[in-house]
Amino acid sequence: DAGVTQSPTHLIKTRGQQVTLRCSPKSGHDTVSWYQQALGQGPQFIFQYYEEEERQRGNFPDRFSGHQFPNYSSELNVNALLLGDSALYLCASSSGQPNQPQHFGDGTRLSIL
Amino acid sequence: ILNVEQSPQSLHVQEGDSTNFTCSFPSSNFYALHWYRWETAKSPEALFVMTLNGDEKKKGRISATLNTKEGYSYLYIKGSQPEDSATYLCAANTDKLIFGTGTRLQVFP
Repeated sequence: DAGVTQSPTHLIKTRGQQVTLRCSPKSGHDTVSWYQQALGQGPQFIFQYYEEEERQRGNFPDRFSGHQFPNYSSELNVNALLLGDSALYLCASSSGQPNQPQHFGDGTRLSIL
Repeated sequence: ILNVEQSPQSLHVQEGDSTNFTCSFPSSNFYALHWYRWETAKSPEALFVMTLNGDEKKKGRISATLNTKEGYSYLYIKGSQPEDSATYLCAANTDKLIFGTGTRLQVFP
């Protein structure tokens, strides 16, 4: 039973470019959440997808967008990259209930030069 | 805006010591409190999810308590082992999961 998988593992981009990160949820999970973890911080909630719709959104600009596919996998897109977007991006899947734990992937390390 | 705070920021203990960390959160609009353990180069691993005031959960040498009225949770590790070294994150679930900055535990043999 595969857990949450994320790709790529590492990515280097330059300012102004666009990036797409991918996530496949744990089998049986229909809800995917994305987090940004900057150095010295806890994971910051970006948004959550359920039934192919953005259900909740954190305090991130519109440059951050996402998508969920019918097979529950998800993409995170970031446009017009800034140096401050350098971080570890974590994907987590769950059944969507607040009393259920989230299962995390290993993350994508994004570096902006 | 919900603020989740954890203390201490880091902790160094000897093998065999027992230790505890604190997670505090605003008690309004609360659904659940999550604890995760995050080892270096791995993904965060769920330890506990607690919802009710007075909840206590245990997993081996690790246990947690929850006080929703005053807005805090404690995580206890009894007889710490070097393999317990990790960052311990708590997160409060209102309508979204809000994480604290974590407590980094280092257990020396």
